[in-house]
Amino acid sequence: QSVLAQPPSMSAAPGQKATISCSGGNSNIGNNFVSWYQQVPGTAPKLLIYDNNKRPSGIPDRVSGSKSGTSATLGITGLQTGDEADYYCGTWDDSVSAFLFGGGTKLTVL
Amino acid sequence: EVQLLESGGGLVQPGGSLRLSCAAAGFTFGSYAMSWVRQAPGKGLEWVSAISGSGGSTYYVGSMKGRFTISRDNSKSTLYLQMDSLRAEDTAVYYCAKDRGYNYATDFDFWGQGTLVTVSS
Repeated sequence: QSVLAQPPSMSAAPGQKATISCSGGNSNIGNNFVSWYQQVPGTAPKLLIYDNNKRPSGIPDRVSGSKSGTSATLGITGLQTGDEADYYCGTWDDSVSAFLFGGGTKLTVL
Repeated sequence: EVQLLESGGGLVQPGGSLRLSCAAAGFTFGSYAMSWVRQAPGKGLEWVSAISGSGGSTYYVGSMKGRFTISRDNSKSTLYLQMDSLRAEDTAVYYCAKDRGYNYATDFDFWGQGTLVTVSS
């Protein structure tokens, strides 16, 4: 069981919005920046969001991130079949001096 | 263009050792922290270890302290992971990942393609 809690799966229709939550604690999300990663099965993860809400070059603005207290959220609007993937949140944890990933959320677009 | 190329994976018996390498190109290697992240078959991502840009600071997930050693050679732009006393549960794809920061593990903007480590008799 991951310290950062994510829903194991979710589904949404093409064109709709997906919202993925990541819940942690004061020593991790509450005190550090959150990042989000997309992983298509069989490929390496890809950075989608860093510093809670910033997008790297090449990530479209239909992808967004936010943080409030000890929780973070990834939003993807205008869903496409190409968005089907596993999504992970991540952050540093001060109490164990280690980087934590959430358990991952499998997004299905149908 | 940033490139990270892992090597050194393979089949090893329980209790054995393996050394992974990650050759980096396309950025000033010594200016960034680096991490190893692994993914067991069918499972999620698990951060393993990080090393600061200078190599002077290292960090490990608790279960791997004392068995795994991260190091880097900035003159060769190469990251290493020495893995000893390997167990079946260490079977995974191991990714090297470039950090956006310098000191520890903040977030990872570039990843290698991964190298598979299988621990089995």
